[in-house]
This record gives sequence, C-alpha cells and structure tokens, in this order.
Amino acid sequence: DVKVTQSSRYLVKRTGEKVFLECVQDMDHENMFWYRQDPGLGLRLIYFSYDVKMKEKGDIPEGYSVSREKKERFSLILESASTNQTSMYLCASRGGRAETQYFGPGTRLLVL
Amino acid sequence: AQTVTQSQPEMSVQEAETVTLSCTYDTSESDYYLFWYKQPPSRQMILVIRQEAYKQQNATENRFSVNFQKAAKSFSLKISDSQLGDAAMYFCAYRSAANNNDMRFGAGTRLTVKP
Repeated sequence: DVKVTQSSRYLVKRTGEKVFLECVQDMDHENMFWYRQDPGLGLRLIYFSYDVKMKEKGDIPEGYSVSREKKERFSLILESASTNQTSMYLCASRGGRAETQYFGPGTRLLVL
Repeated sequence: AQTVTQSQPEMSVQEAETVTLSCTYDTSESDYYLFWYKQPPSRQMILVIRQEAYKQQNATENRFSVNFQKAAKSFSLKISDSQLGDAAMYFCAYRSAANNNDMRFGAGTRLTVKP
C-alpha cells in the first residue's frame, strides 16, 4: 500500500513564526502536492512538484514556499505565519499520468 | 478553468438504505478523470472510485457505483446498503488528462448515516 505521512497532525504557531510542514511518501512517486482544505471551499492546490528540485505554483501560492531536495520528501514552508493561514494542510503524491493520487493524514494548523 | 460543483453540503441516509451524492463539472476537454474521495472524521482521505472519461461503462466498487453522464457533465456517487462506516465527507474531483497535475475538487458533501 502507498503510504503518505505528514510530520504533525496538529500544530499551533504564533503569527510571524516560520512554519515547516513535511510530507514523506514511500512509493517512489514523481509527483507530490500540497493542498489547503477549508470548509465550503474543498481542496485548493498550493504547490506541486514533478521531480526533485522542481516545483510549480498552484492556485494559492502566496505566503507559501516549498522544497523538494529528495524524491520522497516534499516540504511546505510558511515564511511568516499569519492567522489567515489557519487551515488543514494535505499532502498528496502520485506516480504516472493515469495513476491515482494518494493523500496524507493532514496537518491541522492553528496560527494565533 | 475547470470547476467542480457539489450542490449538497449535507446528506443523511438510514443504515442499509441507498443514497446518491451529486457532482457536476464544467470542462471543454474530452479526456479526463473523475474521482470520488472519502474523508472520515479525523482520518485520511481515501479514494472511493474513479472513472476515465473515455470509458462508457460506469465504474463500480462493491457497494459504490457512479452514474457518469458525459454529455451532461454529471458524475454522481451511489452508495448502496449504507453502513455506519460510510459517514464521512465526500469530495468529487476532476483531473485533466492533458494537464494531469491540475486536480479540481468540489466543496464536499457531508454524509451522515443514521442507525
């Protein structure tokens, strides 16, 4: 079975802090994604990566950056956390074009 | 850009009964994939069922089946013999075959199963 893990299930941070969310997948998938999930809005793509050191902006990249130094690991960085970044963050990975996307358990982030 | 609409924010069903969740999408493409994902409370999102647009036959996975109407751009999920464990948020999603890193999600439908 594909396994996608995220470093934290719950996180509480202060406004202005730098926040790192990490995601690891164990299926040698090329593609990895970071989504934000908010009630009534579904999932919105923040960034994705199709290879090591390669990244593309999604629909809502402002205030976020990403890093992919190794194929199995994709990090989401909030350079200076703000209260409007309080949300559920979901990581996902996928192999080839026609393959299914698998999700991690999510990180619920609260920014005070 | 493609959009996915789930018009039912909440649905409920009696245990053992059948329920249908609605999903419509907007696209000008002919080749794409459609998905239903399930997100149980405080648990991981998992794939329920997928449909390739080029396939005319509706996908089925045990108690879960879809009604894919390509011309109408409709992709509903039918859950038969509902069980308490089916209670979850259900998300409909669209993914382009041409730009397959662009996956669009609906807002979700919260399904409650009554014993």
